[in-house]
Amino acid sequence: DIQLTQSPSSLSASVGDRVTITCRASQGIRNELGWYQHKPGKAPRRLIYGASSLQSGVPSRFSGSGSGTEFTLTISSLQPEDFATYYCLQHNSYPRTFGQGTKLEI
Amino acid sequence: DVQLVESGGGLIQRGGSLRLSCAASGITFSSYAMSWVRQAPGKGLEWVSLISGSGIGTYYADSVRGRFTISRDNSKNTLYLQMNGLSPEDTATYFCVFGFYFDFWGQGTQVTVSS
Repeated sequence: DIQLTQSPSSLSASVGDRVTITCRASQGIRNELGWYQHKPGKAPRRLIYGASSLQSGVPSRFSGSGSGTEFTLTISSLQPEDFATYYCLQHNSYPRTFGQGTKLEI
Repeated sequence: DVQLVESGGGLIQRGGSLRLSCAASGITFSSYAMSWVRQAPGKGLEWVSLISGSGIGTYYADSVRGRFTISRDNSKNTLYLQMNGLSPEDTATYFCVFGFYFDFWGQGTQVTVSS
């Protein structure tokens, strides 16, 4: 199974900050990775697909990069609505696996 | 707009069975793979199962293989998850997810398994 390791597990930040979350895969997964935002009681929302493509309707302050085993999600200027938990997900092979999540807090 | 509405969750005793449903609208349902993903209380997201658009291909997490069965009825635009032999470890919110690339998610349905 492919393990995805996210760092950090939690992060305290302020409105306006630039934030970067890393996701490392235990083996190469090309660009077959997505990033998701999840708020309590809500449906998770895809932000990035194919490691670096922005989902339609998602603000341009979100960006993704990486290929192979190392990936990053960057939020260029945090907004109040961005405080949530973020997950990476690989769809290179079965079983599909998620990172453990990064909780972004004020 | 894509809409996914899950139903069928509830409180069940250990060893019991439940069938979850996910009604889809706003998409050409039969053209797309669908998945179930769950989140146990206080935990992260866990992929459970995926089914191809035709229903021929099915894939499972080791934790549910042999107990859960994913299926779909393309004439009704509905995805199912038959869950047998439930244990407290299966307690979670279960999300229905559209697309091979996990494009769009439903709001989830809560399953609680008592011991």
